[in-house]
Amino acid sequence: ETGVTQSPTHLIKTRGQQVTLRCSSQSGHNTVSWYQQALGQGPQFIFQYYREEENGRGNFPPRFSGLQFPNYSSELNVNALELDDSALYLCASSLGLGQVYNEQFFGPGTRLTVL
Amino acid sequence: DQQVKQNSPSLSVQEGRISILNCDYTNSMFDYFLWYKKYPAEGPTFLISISSIKDKNEDGRFTVFLNKSAKHLSLHIVPSQPGDSAVYFCAASYNNDMRFGAGTRLTVKP
Repeated sequence: ETGVTQSPTHLIKTRGQQVTLRCSSQSGHNTVSWYQQALGQGPQFIFQYYREEENGRGNFPPRFSGLQFPNYSSELNVNALELDDSALYLCASSLGLGQVYNEQFFGPGTRLTVL
Repeated sequence: DQQVKQNSPSLSVQEGRISILNCDYTNSMFDYFLWYKKYPAEGPTFLISISSIKDKNEDGRFTVFLNKSAKHLSLHIVPSQPGDSAVYFCAASYNNDMRFGAGTRLTVKP
């Protein structure tokens, strides 16, 4: 059984640029959630995708957008990067609608640095 | 707004002793609470959870206690082992909204 993988591991961008982060969900999982974890803080929910449709969104601006593909892998896109976007971005996969928390498996994250 | 707070950034205990990690929340609508453990370079891993209809849930060495009147939950690890050294996050959820605390770094010394 393949776990949740994320790419790239690390990324450095400059203000104003755009970035795409990728996540492959655990085999058999059809739901992906994305979180932002700033330094010294807990993960903050960005949004969730279920069967290619957005299903819930946290308090993040529209420049944070996502996609889920037919194989249930997912992308997080951030436009017009700001310094405060520097964080660890985590994706988590699960089976079913909503945040099935104790069945949610996290990837190792992508560390984004915005200069 | 910080609806879930872990006021102790770090905790150090001796191997074999009890570790108690604390978490406070402000939103009385939260109805499900979880603890996650995170090792460096890995994503958080689910550890244990509790529904708001219970006040205690036990799984091996791990026990979570919920005090709804105080809006407080705690995680007890007995006995603590060096492999338990990690960052522990508490999380609270209601209606598809989950909030995490900032985490407590637990160090278990041999």
